[in-house]
Amino acid sequence: AQTVTQSQPEMSVQEAETVTLSCTYDTSESDYYLFWYKQPPSRQMILVIRQEAYKQQNATENRFSVNFQKAAKSFSLKISDSQLGDAAMYFCAYRRGSGGGADGLTFGKGTHLIIQP
Amino acid sequence: EAQVTQNPRYLITVTGKKLTVTCSQNMNHEYMSWYRQDPGLGLRQIYYSMNVEVTDKGDVPEGYKVSRKEKRNFPLILESPSPNQTSLYFCASSPIPSQKQYFGPGTRLTVT
Repeated sequence: AQTVTQSQPEMSVQEAETVTLSCTYDTSESDYYLFWYKQPPSRQMILVIRQEAYKQQNATENRFSVNFQKAAKSFSLKISDSQLGDAAMYFCAYRRGSGGGADGLTFGKGTHLIIQP
Repeated sequence: EAQVTQNPRYLITVTGKKLTVTCSQNMNHEYMSWYRQDPGLGLRQIYYSMNVEVTDKGDVPEGYKVSRKEKRNFPLILESPSPNQTSLYFCASSPIPSQKQYFGPGTRLTVT
């Protein structure tokens, strides 16, 4: 079974600085998808970024980008120009490829991101 | 507005008293699923459904039931809740499993 590991339970960064959240995963599949979700204090789960494993280009969404290293099974999230509104719990998630049945996302345990003003 | 709704948002109940948490989506998504979130464990999938009348177990299905009689609704049923089912529950939907999942606002359940 696949597993997702987030080795940083908590990270702190100064406002306007850059921070990188780590995620590694274990899978024997070659086709899969990776996600970063943000959960602010409101508890709403918000998709930050999605990466398709067969695409070599790293996904980006405004200030958020990933460093996807398929051989190393690593999927880190970089947040540039950190803002107070970025403070949240961040979850890395994995999902088998489209031919992999209907099972859902496998989540890491999360990283609590603190933004220092 | 595209959304997933859940009711109730908060529920405190006692051991053994049957309860249902409703989930509804207005995006005509075929795929729906339930997750529970516990401190230090992330989110874990309970049940999922590929379409009407098609449901299957996720990673932690014990003590839960689901049904999918209509495409838009996917209720979660706890027939005899126990304290270890105290958790934050999320319903999610997507067109297919590998696409972005839209999450509901969550239901905080406490079983005493």
